[in-house]
Amino acid sequence: GAVVSQHPSWVICKSGTSVKIECRSLDFQATTMFWYRQFPKQSLMLMATSNEGSKATYEQGVEKDKFLINHASLTLSTLTVTSAHPEDSSFYICSARGGPSQNTGELFFGEGSRLTVL
Amino acid sequence: KQEVTQIPAALSVPEGENLVLNCSFTDSAIYNLQWFRQDPGKGLTSLLLIQSSQREQTSGRLNASLDKSSGRSTLYIAASQPGDSATYLCAVRARSGGGADGLTFGKGTHLIIQP
Repeated sequence: GAVVSQHPSWVICKSGTSVKIECRSLDFQATTMFWYRQFPKQSLMLMATSNEGSKATYEQGVEKDKFLINHASLTLSTLTVTSAHPEDSSFYICSARGGPSQNTGELFFGEGSRLTVL
Repeated sequence: KQEVTQIPAALSVPEGENLVLNCSFTDSAIYNLQWFRQDPGKGLTSLLLIQSSQREQTSGRLNASLDKSSGRSTLYIAASQPGDSATYLCAVRARSGGGADGLTFGKGTHLIIQP
């Protein structure tokens, strides 16, 4: 299957700082990327959808000014958590669709990034 | 709004047993259904993808079925092994994606295979 890579895999930051998480499709061009967050023992919740070269579409209740998403190329999307607070601590996972999965709609996921805000 | 429910929430069985994980969804207008595996602290590994026009998919010891009209899917694991221990997630993609057609996930079934 297609490979999606996330970086960093974990990050600890102080409250009030901003953190950037990268999501890359390594062996295919991702026309669409999705960002999810997952709290302990909870399901994945879709935060936003991004298409290359256009603004991200955010789910209801997700603050677009707090969670900045950029999909500048067909292989890279970034999520920036601005002015992070302890309640933003979570597991953030990206997924991508494109290339071999464009017709089937199959999604491939990154390894996730665990954010801890002190 | 689509809701996905997985039963049971947790399951522990001895090695070698065959088992079934259940997934139900409230809106049958789906594009596809995907089963994933998630190991602790890790991302998701895609196991099987079933298109809305299909009834089942098989990969090795895994078999997934889909009954769209009743809003149900099952994941059958044959001859379970300790390495199968993980959380199994079911997710559906809506047919009418609109601006955001990501997946709607269930909460998962936490599976433990006892050696």
